[in-house]
Amino acid sequence: DQQVKQNSPSLSVQEGRISILNCDYTNSMFDYFLWYKKYPAEGPTFLISISSIKDKNEDGRFTVFLNKSAKHLSLHIVPSQPGDSAVYFCAASAVDGANNLFFGTGTRLTVIP
Amino acid sequence: DTEVTQTPKHLVMGMTNKKSLKCEQHMGHRAMYWYKQKAKKPPELMFVYSYEKLSINESVPSRFSPECPNSSLLNLHLHALQPEDSALYLCASSPPGQVSGNTIYFGEGSWLTVV
Repeated sequence: DQQVKQNSPSLSVQEGRISILNCDYTNSMFDYFLWYKKYPAEGPTFLISISSIKDKNEDGRFTVFLNKSAKHLSLHIVPSQPGDSAVYFCAASAVDGANNLFFGTGTRLTVIP
Repeated sequence: DTEVTQTPKHLVMGMTNKKSLKCEQHMGHRAMYWYKQKAKKPPELMFVYSYEKLSINESVPSRFSPECPNSSLLNLHLHALQPEDSALYLCASSPPGQVSGNTIYFGEGSWLTVV
């Protein structure tokens, strides 16, 4: 059973506009959430994270929002750039400290110049 | 520096071969991981080593044998693999501590093809 879900397999956005990638989770024990970016033939690259005690974390063009009551998080990229085109994975880990990440299925972002 | 180095980048092996994948990090991380990723699927955890001891084995077949010789190195020994084991194998590491919230950093992966 997929505990972290990314329901949009793909997203296309015009350069300069905002990209919004969404992620939902089912396990209420998740307390740390991460976004990874992946280019073909490469490993995932860590982008940004958020702890469950926060509802927003910002790093440059990237902002992650967390809505614990809805078990939903989103990644905003603004302005979007062609180099942002990649697959974005949402991931979560739980309070049991097992250091295991549960990944979503990914969203392929294409930024159109 | 958040570098996890994996070798080889590509490996083709026959079903009767014995080979190894290697992973190295010099960030002082004390947790190291092997993940497997098939095409168009998310990474799936295989093994976790914490302070050089195997702490998680996600029911991985014995034809995959992990080894952690020291805190910087992680190997994955492969023997008698099947074609369906062809995938991208990702090594990762995270800072010391068992508390959730440690960011996991991935290597670039080793592409394995079993023929």
